[in-house]
Parts: sequence; structure tokens; C-alpha cells
Amino acid sequence: AQTVTQSQPEMSVQEAETVTLSCTYDTSESNYYLFWYKQPPSRQMILVIRQEAYKQQNATENRFSVNFQKAAKSFSLKISDSQLGDTAMYFCAFMNGAYNNNDMRFGAGTRLTVKP
Amino acid sequence: NAGVTQTPKFQVLKTGQSMTLQCAQDMNHEYMSWYRQDPGMGLRLIHYSVGAGITDQGEVPNGYNVSRSTTEDFPLRLLSAAPSQTSVYFCASSYSGGGFGQYFGPGTRLLVL
Repeated sequence: AQTVTQSQPEMSVQEAETVTLSCTYDTSESNYYLFWYKQPPSRQMILVIRQEAYKQQNATENRFSVNFQKAAKSFSLKISDSQLGDTAMYFCAFMNGAYNNNDMRFGAGTRLTVKP
Repeated sequence: NAGVTQTPKFQVLKTGQSMTLQCAQDMNHEYMSWYRQDPGMGLRLIHYSVGAGITDQGEVPNGYNVSRSTTEDFPLRLLSAAPSQTSVYFCASSYSGGGFGQYFGPGTRLLVL
């Protein structure tokens, strides 16, 4: 079974600075997807960014970017120009790319606090 | 579009009672899933469906039942509630293949006494 590990339970960053959240995963599959989700205090799960394993180019979405290292099975999230609204739990998730599969596995999460 | 909706928002049950958590989506998504979220842990998959009439077990299926008679609805049934099922439950849906990410409902908080 695939596992996802987030080794940083909590992190903090000053407003406008850059922070990187770590994620590693374990799989024997070659076709898969990786995601970062944000969960603010409202509890709503929000998709931040996604990466397809067969794409070597790292995904970017505005201030959010990833560093995808397939050989190392690492998928870190970089948040640039941190804003107070980025304060939330962040979850890394893995999904096997097999047809008719909807089995998504999540890490335990990293609580990020952005300080003014 | 309402997206993914869940009812109720909060429920208190006594041990041994049964109940159904409702989930509906209006995006015509083929795939739907149920997760539970416990303190200090990420979301864990309970059951999922890749289309009407098709369901499969996830990571923690024991004590829960699902069925998918329509594309829009995916109810989760607790057969005999136990205190260990106290949790926040999330329903999610996605396009076929799931690689585009899942859309989540607002969650149902369940307390079993």
C-alpha cells in the first residue's frame, strides 16, 4: 500500500517570506498523481496544486510551486510571498494512476502559521 | 452549481444507533469518495465509487456501508455506531481518473457517545 509522510507537524513563517513544506511517499507504481491540499480553519479542503508523475516539469500555481523528485519520491511545496490567509493545515496526497482507481492516500498534515 | 453538499453538518449518536450521512454533487462527476479525519491524522479513505452501481473499499471500511444508485448521490451508512467512529466525515467527487484532484464537501462532524 502506498504511504505518504509529512515529517513537519508544524511550521511558521513571517509574512512575505518563503516557506517549504516536505512530503515523501512510497510506491512501486510508475503512473500516479500527487497533490497538495489546504485546509483552513473553516475545515474546507481546497486543492492547491497537482503533479502528474510522468511530467518532469514542476507544477506551479501563482505563489505555489512544487519540487518533484521522482527518484527520491519527494514532493515538496514552496509558498512564496506568504500571506496571512495561507495559515492552514496542508496535506500531501498520492493517487495511483490506474484506470478505475479512486484510492487517494493523505499524509498526516503540516500546520502552517503565517506571522504578521 | 452547489458543488458537493453534505448533510447533516453535525450529529450526535448513541452507541449502537445507525444513521446515514448524505452526500450529493451536481457536477456530473463519475468518481465519489468518503473519508474520515481524526485529530493528528490526515484523511483516510473509507469507501469509494467509480460510477453508479460500482463501489469499493478503501483503507478503513469496517463498520460502514455504501451504495451508489445514481451519479449524484453517495450515502454513507453507519450500521451500529461506536465511539471509535467519532470523527469528521468528508465526501468528495472528481472527474473520471481522479488525476485532476477531488472536490470536497464541507464535512459532517459526528459524535458517538
